[in-house]
Formats: sequence, C-alpha cells, structure tokens
Amino acid sequence: QSALTQPPSASGSPGQSVTISCTGTSSDVGGYNYVSWYQQHPGKAPKLMIYEVTKRPSGVPDRFSGSKSGNTASLTVSGLQAEDEADYYCSSYAGGNNVFGTGTKVTVL
Amino acid sequence: QVQLVESGGGVVQPGTSLRLSCAASGITFSAYAMHWVRQPPGKGPEWVAVISYDGRSKFYADSVKGRFTISRDNSKNTLYLQMNSLRDDDTAVFYCVTSSAPDFWGQGTLVTVSS
Repeated sequence: QSALTQPPSASGSPGQSVTISCTGTSSDVGGYNYVSWYQQHPGKAPKLMIYEVTKRPSGVPDRFSGSKSGNTASLTVSGLQAEDEADYYCSSYAGGNNVFGTGTKVTVL
Repeated sequence: QVQLVESGGGVVQPGTSLRLSCAASGITFSAYAMHWVRQPPGKGPEWVAVISYDGRSKFYADSVKGRFTISRDNSKNTLYLQMNSLRDDDTAVFYCVTSSAPDFWGQGTLVTVSS
C-alpha cells in the first residue's frame, strides 16, 4: 500500500497550463481505470475534480482534464486561474483498497 | 443533494477507543460501498477502510488492521468506524466517502490522540 508518487510542487502564470503526474504500479494506476483527482484548499475537504481517469463531475470546469498512460496518470489544468491555487491529490483503486498520491501544491504566479 | 455528516471525533488519550459515525442522506445508502479516509494535519489523505453495500466484505489499510472496525446500519443510513488502541499517529481528520462514481465526501471529524 505505497503512496502514489506526485511532484511536490507545480506552478504557472494565469492563463497558462500546468500538468501534474501521478505514478503508481501495475497493481493500482496501471491496472484499473479508476484514477481520481482531488483539489483541496486549506481547511476544506478534498473536492473531486476528475474520476475514472477522464470524467468530470457536474460543476467542474472543462479546464480540468485527466489522462493515463501505463502506470502514470496526469491532471492538466488549462487557463490557470487564481482560485486553482491549491493542493492536488490523485487516488487509485488498488484491488480491494484505495491508495492516494503524495500531493502536489499548485501555485499560480 | 448528497449529504454525509461525520461525528464522534474528539481528544482522547493513547490506548483508548473512539467510535465515529457518518449519517448519510440524499442517496440510496444501502446501494453503495462506503470508505473511511483520514488526513493527518499537514499531510495528504490516507485510505483507511471500505465496507461493501451489504456489510459482508470489509478491507483495511495495514496501518489500522486489527485495531479499527468498519460497520454500517443500512436501516439508519449510517456508517461507523470503531477505533481501538488509538495511537498518536492516528491523529487526523476522518472523512466518510461514498464508493460511487462520482464519489461524495463529508466535511470530516477531527480525532486527536494525545496524552
């Protein structure tokens, strides 16, 4: 049950794009199309942004998109806005249990 | 509108027990498996346990196996987490989460284990 690996930080200017990676193994990310991405602002509960690798819940802007290749999933935030500054966590089903990523702090410059 | 409300958190001493509850509304609770996820202060979320829709199957993270027990009462639309032999490193905000697509989270309840 090792955590999925994410870069500690990422940044971009308003209007730019930022991509966050989430690397696991064939037992989690690579083995299932059940990768989710969460946004978390300080003091708030995580908010689901992407589920099942590419799907967006109702109300999530289409600036947020997800993808997967092999054992690595990615979240891309296009047209960065100030309110996108937050911590982002990936999560994957791992056969009977779930595993979260180490987290990435996104800074809007 | 889905609503999950956790309760039962508080400050407890190491070695003691605590039971968390999660009251669900706005969903057909008995149709969904449910998770507990925790987040220590300043750290990322950690999956804790999952229970099947009918309560027959349960899985736990290695860090809580043998100490925590997940259960549910579908007649009361409520999820539980019995936590025994609590340790300092169990200090966290505990969230209940639906195993649905998309999933839904409660606002969490804080458990502080400290002497």
